[in-house]
Amino acid sequence: ETGVTQTPRHLVMGMTNKKSLKCEQHLGHNAMYWYKQSAKKPLELMFVYSLEERVENNSVPSRFSPECPNSSHLFLHLHTLQPEDSALYLCASSPTLAGGLEGTDTQYFGPGTRLTVL
Amino acid sequence: KQEVTQIPAALSVPEGENLVLNCSFTDSAIYNLQWFRQDPGKGLTSLLLIQSSQREQTSGRLNASLDKSSGRSTLYIAASQPGDSATYLCAVEGYNFNKFYFGSGTKLNVKP
Repeated sequence: ETGVTQTPRHLVMGMTNKKSLKCEQHLGHNAMYWYKQSAKKPLELMFVYSLEERVENNSVPSRFSPECPNSSHLFLHLHTLQPEDSALYLCASSPTLAGGLEGTDTQYFGPGTRLTVL
Repeated sequence: KQEVTQIPAALSVPEGENLVLNCSFTDSAIYNLQWFRQDPGKGLTSLLLIQSSQREQTSGRLNASLDKSSGRSTLYIAASQPGDSATYLCAVEGYNFNKFYFGSGTKLNVKP
């Protein structure tokens, strides 16, 4: 148990549906992240939030819309997805915005949401 | 753009063997490198984090080394056990903050 929870764990949706993924961290961290893990591809960073402000958007299509209402919660709103969006979506958090000269902050990952788009 | 490569993609060894997983990266301008473990259907667990100024980190039977100048890291697992079976991912953090780059992973199977 890493202190980062994600719901739902599995989601099947049609291309015209709208759904949301939820991530919650109980670690008092200030930074949260969304990653996408497709089969046989490296993990891809999608969005980064620090103190509820988005600091990174890695050229993610607009059909993915993140929301961070507070430092403990992170959502990923999904609409009109494509079958190729089927993947494992991982949320992570770290004490501070990782990086800097010390580079000491590790990230804590949730168990992921397995998304299938039909 | 930073590229992270892990070799081998899959590895099967008998229990008790010592083994080495390899990670290479193309841009040596990194803040740190992490090794993660991923079990099927679960998220990632951080195993070791090596800062750019360090050369190695140890935790129990795990030892990770970092040679930033050559763009290489190794994860050494001593006396492997069936419970070590998982996918091991290497990730580097670049100077453009929060740019994390992951390898595709090495899937390890330790046979009893």
